[in-house]
Amino acid sequence: GQNIDQPTEMTATEGAIVQINCTYQTSGFNGLFWYQQHAGEAPTFLSYNVLDGLEEKGRFSSFLSRSKGYSYLLLKELQMKDSASYLCAVRTGTASKLTFGTGTRLQVTL
Amino acid sequence: DGGITQSPKYLFRKEGQNVTLSCEQNLNHDAMYWYRQDPGQGLRLIYYSQIVNDFQKGDIAEGYSVSREKKESFPLTVTSAQKNPTAFYLCASRLGGFNSPLHFGNGTRLTVT
Repeated sequence: GQNIDQPTEMTATEGAIVQINCTYQTSGFNGLFWYQQHAGEAPTFLSYNVLDGLEEKGRFSSFLSRSKGYSYLLLKELQMKDSASYLCAVRTGTASKLTFGTGTRLQVTL
Repeated sequence: DGGITQSPKYLFRKEGQNVTLSCEQNLNHDAMYWYRQDPGQGLRLIYYSQIVNDFQKGDIAEGYSVSREKKESFPLTVTSAQKNPTAFYLCASRLGGFNSPLHFGNGTRLTVT
């Protein structure tokens, strides 16, 4: 089976930096995705990691350590519009299946 | 503009009735997916299809059925056998290749009473 863990909720201040962690136990790991989802809306793609290291894309960065089964999403210069759920998803094997964690609800406050 | 269209946005049904959720994409994507989202449980995979006329069960396929007669369309039927059908249903597609992300529709919120 597969297990993906994320914190349920986090709170951070506007302008600050926040790190959202994701740990996974899977067989046949083949890539990790981060998505953002505002309440009642569709998830939107943020980042993809398949090799160890940091991927940076503007204010968002994502890190992967395959040996530790660990990833994080780093959000810098937080804005109120960043209040959303952040979903970690893992692809395994050669199948097209993507398994999602339960998501982390981030609230950005003034 | 290309995208994924799910209709309707809100759907209400009586218990015991089958209901079909529509999903259409004009992105020319090969693979299509249906996920269900419940509070506190994240997205769970119901069915997916990698090519026309072929589909596979996901993690929670019981009580659901799908068809993939056309590349653009992947309708999901929620049957009366599904014990807890009230949920937010998301359809997604992807082009292909391991690094291609899922593109999601705006979802259908189904309420069964």
